[in-house]
Amino acid sequence: QVQLQESGPGLVKPSQTLSLSCTVSGGSISSGDHYWSWVRQPPGKGLEWIGRTYYSGSTYYNPSLKSRVTISIDTSRNQFFLRLTSVTAADTAVYYCVRADFGDFHGDIWGQGTMVTVSS
Amino acid sequence: QSVLTQPPSVSGAPGQRVTISCTGSSSNIGAGYGVHWYQQLPGTAPKLLIYANTNRPSGVPDRFSGSKSGASASLAITGLQAEDEADYYCQSYDSTLSGVVFGGGTKLTVL
Repeated sequence: QVQLQESGPGLVKPSQTLSLSCTVSGGSISSGDHYWSWVRQPPGKGLEWIGRTYYSGSTYYNPSLKSRVTISIDTSRNQFFLRLTSVTAADTAVYYCVRADFGDFHGDIWGQGTMVTVSS
Repeated sequence: QSVLTQPPSVSGAPGQRVTISCTGSSSNIGAGYGVHWYQQLPGTAPKLLIYANTNRPSGVPDRFSGSKSGASASLAITGLQAEDEADYYCQSYDSTLSGVVFGGGTKLTVL
């Protein structure tokens, strides 16, 4: 079955760039049936959609983060990526990569999540 | 402030029925976009519970059901069990924001 696994640094300094990878196993990221998304959850708080990409490379971002976010995809490596610039303590969160249905955006498969702390 | 509004908490005794509401607007649920529900157990990733308003993924017990009316949706849990104690989130799509939106989450306590 398809599984998603996030990876990347657990600690990022303020003003620097947060970079995460999501590796998809058990299936192809080039499936036209799904978007590949990032969602985050600050400690003790709710879920926030960051954005999504498609195998074609098209992207859609949360307007509140759009100026700082880049999501990209590498179909040859079955991976997609998150880059968030100029981070502050408010970006401290568990970051999840999620497979989302192309038709109605429901997230049917989630990675286990990776905690990223922004601190000097 | 979340685009979709959920009660912060609900509670019920074992065996009882509880419902969790999710209220949106004319740019999301009211516009006809599907509502999805997730269960998040402590320390774990969210798990899809209901998709497209009323559909259960394989493996989700039929004690869980979803409904939608107008700009609101509800998740119902019958025969409440201790293992149902978790946070529950609704999700939809918003045409004004051109993106996915979540409710603020509801903590279910089994008394």
